[in-house]
Formats: sequence, C-alpha cells, structure tokens
Amino acid sequence: NAGVTQTPKFRVLKTGQSMTLLCAQDMNHEYMYWYRQDPGMGLRLIHYSVGEGTTAKGEVPDGYNVSRLKKQNFLLGLESAAPSQTSVYFCASKGTETRADTQYFGPGTRLTVL
Amino acid sequence: SQKIEQNSEALNIQEGKTATLTCNYTNYSPAYLQWYRQDPGRGPVFLLLIRENEKEKRKERLKVTFDTTLKQSLFHITASQPADSATYLCALDIVRGYQKVTFGTGTKLQVIP
Repeated sequence: NAGVTQTPKFRVLKTGQSMTLLCAQDMNHEYMYWYRQDPGMGLRLIHYSVGEGTTAKGEVPDGYNVSRLKKQNFLLGLESAAPSQTSVYFCASKGTETRADTQYFGPGTRLTVL
Repeated sequence: SQKIEQNSEALNIQEGKTATLTCNYTNYSPAYLQWYRQDPGRGPVFLLLIRENEKEKRKERLKVTFDTTLKQSLFHITASQPADSATYLCALDIVRGYQKVTFGTGTKLQVIP
C-alpha cells in the first residue's frame, strides 16, 4: 500500500495564479484532511471531509476550496494564490474503525507564492 | 482563549538519558491526546494515543502520561538515541465527535551522541 500520496511535491506560483493539490489514499479511509504548516504556527487545519461528497471548514479555510468527489481523493484548490499561502501543505486520512483515531499523513507539498 | 502549548525551545539531551516532552492545554476536555513524530521534510507519523480514562500508555521505549486535572501530557523516551532526534507534536480532539484534532507547535528534540 502506498498510504497517502500528494501531488505535486514542490510548486512555485506567481501571485494570482491558481492550482490544485491532489491527495490520494489507498486505505479506504472515510476521513481526509488538509493542513498547512508554517514555522512557529504548527499544523493548522484548512478543510476536512468526513466522507465522499462532503467537506467542512477547518481553522484557516479562507482562500482555499476543496472537493471530495471520490472517496480516495481529496483536492485542495487555490483560486488566486497569495504570498501568504506560501507554506508546506499536508494531507492526512483517518479510518472509522473502533478506536482508530490516528491520522496518516502524506509527504507534503511545498508551495511558494511569489 | 483555547490553546495547546509545547515547549518551543529545542530540547538537547545526552544519548542514553530519558527525554521528557510536555504538552499543556487549556479550556479543553479532550477525549484523547496523541503524539506524533515529524522528521525534516516529512509528514508527521503517529506514535501513541492515550484516552481520557487512561493515566499512562507505553510502547517500547516510549511512555505517555495524561493528567486531565493538570491538563497536561508528558511524553518520555527512555534510553534515547540519536535516531530519536526529531520534532514531536501533540494533538487533541478539541471538539468531541467532530473527527478532527488540533496540533501543538511541536518540540524539537536533539539527542547528542
């Protein structure tokens, strides 16, 4: 099993450009999450999904949109990138088995917005 | 305000000693608390979970305690090794039943040979 994979690994955007980050998991997990990690700020939840076709806002959702059309994929979109969105983005997934509260993280996407 | 505090300063420890990391929280009543390890350039990796009705949990050289009265968790690594050098994050389910957690900012541990 590949676990959680993220595409791309690195990206540089100019202010105002758009892009989509793809997260895929092969563990049949119901829950998926997008975080951003900035120095001194820790991991902050952007959006999450509790199942196919559902999404919800996290702590820092502004400037981002998400979609969960397929259970295994969770997409994070930036419609008009801003320098404040320069960060490392992590995707995570979690199963629904009893007492299975742990999250499995992808390797991250390093995004720079110029 | 609600927050989760981990020592932002790096912890340097001699190889073979026990490393102790702290996670304090305020204004929450979490059902569980987790500890993750993160290496540079990688995503966090789950280590241990402890529930509100558990005082202590062990896994090999790792031990976690959870004091819901003090609102504190301690994470211990015994017989520390240079390979244990990493950043350690704690995470809490600050809103029960919402299937999401909030992470602390992490503590960087450096084990010196």
